[in-house]
Amino acid sequence: DGGITQSPKYLFRKEGQNVTLSCEQNLNHDAMYWYRQDPGQGLRLIYYSQIVNDFQKGDIAEGYSVSREKKESFPLTVTSAQKNPTAFYLCASRRTGAVYSNQPQHFGDGTRLSIL
Amino acid sequence: EDQVTQSPEALRLQEGESSSLNCSYTVSGLRGLFWYRQDPGKGPEFLFTLYSAGEEKEKERLKATLTKKESFLHITAPKPEDSATYLCAVRCYSGAGSYQLTFGKGTKLSVIP
Repeated sequence: DGGITQSPKYLFRKEGQNVTLSCEQNLNHDAMYWYRQDPGQGLRLIYYSQIVNDFQKGDIAEGYSVSREKKESFPLTVTSAQKNPTAFYLCASRRTGAVYSNQPQHFGDGTRLSIL
Repeated sequence: EDQVTQSPEALRLQEGESSSLNCSYTVSGLRGLFWYRQDPGKGPEFLFTLYSAGEEKEKERLKATLTKKESFLHITAPKPEDSATYLCAVRCYSGAGSYQLTFGKGTKLSVIP
C-alpha cells in the first residue's frame, strides 16, 4: 500500500548534536512538508518542497534544514541551533498540478524528538 | 494574519449523545477547509474537504458543513471509537504561487461508553 513512512518513531538528541528525521513516500506526490506539533498548539510549518531540488522556508524554519534530492524523500535535520527541539514532527505530502489543486495533504505517523 | 480557532478545546460525550465541533476562520482567499482526525501518537488522518459556503460532506457518523466564517463537524450517535482529536485547517494563498495550510489547535473528543 502507498503511504508516508517516517523514521525513527522516537529520537533523542544530546546538547550540541544535529539529528536527522527521515520521511519517505511512495505516493508519487510532488509536494512534501514538515510540521512541528507541540501540546496545545496547532501544527506549524517548518519547510516545504514542491519539486525536487527546491524547497521553501515555512513559519518556523530557524534551526532546521532540509534537502530534496529525490522525489520520494524529504529529510529534516534539527540542528544544534534549534534550542527547543522537543516536539512531535510530522511529514506530509500532496499531489500537485492544476487537476489536483484541491487535493489534501496526507501525513505520516510522526517522529517524537526529545532532549537527553 | 490568518487565524483558525476551534472550539471547544475538549468535549466529553456519552455514547450516542450527538454534538458538534466548531472551526471558525478569518483568512483571505480561502482555497479549501480540511478536517482531520488524529489519534494519540499518530499522524492526522484526512476526513473531509469543503470549498464553498453551503457545502456538506458525510462519512459514517460524521457530517461537515461550511459557511463563510465557520465550519461544523457534526457527530451523530458517537461511539467510543470516535474518540480522537479533530483538527481543522484552512488552505490559503501564501505568496509566490503557493498555498499553505493553517491549522487550528484541535478539539479533543472523548466518547464514554
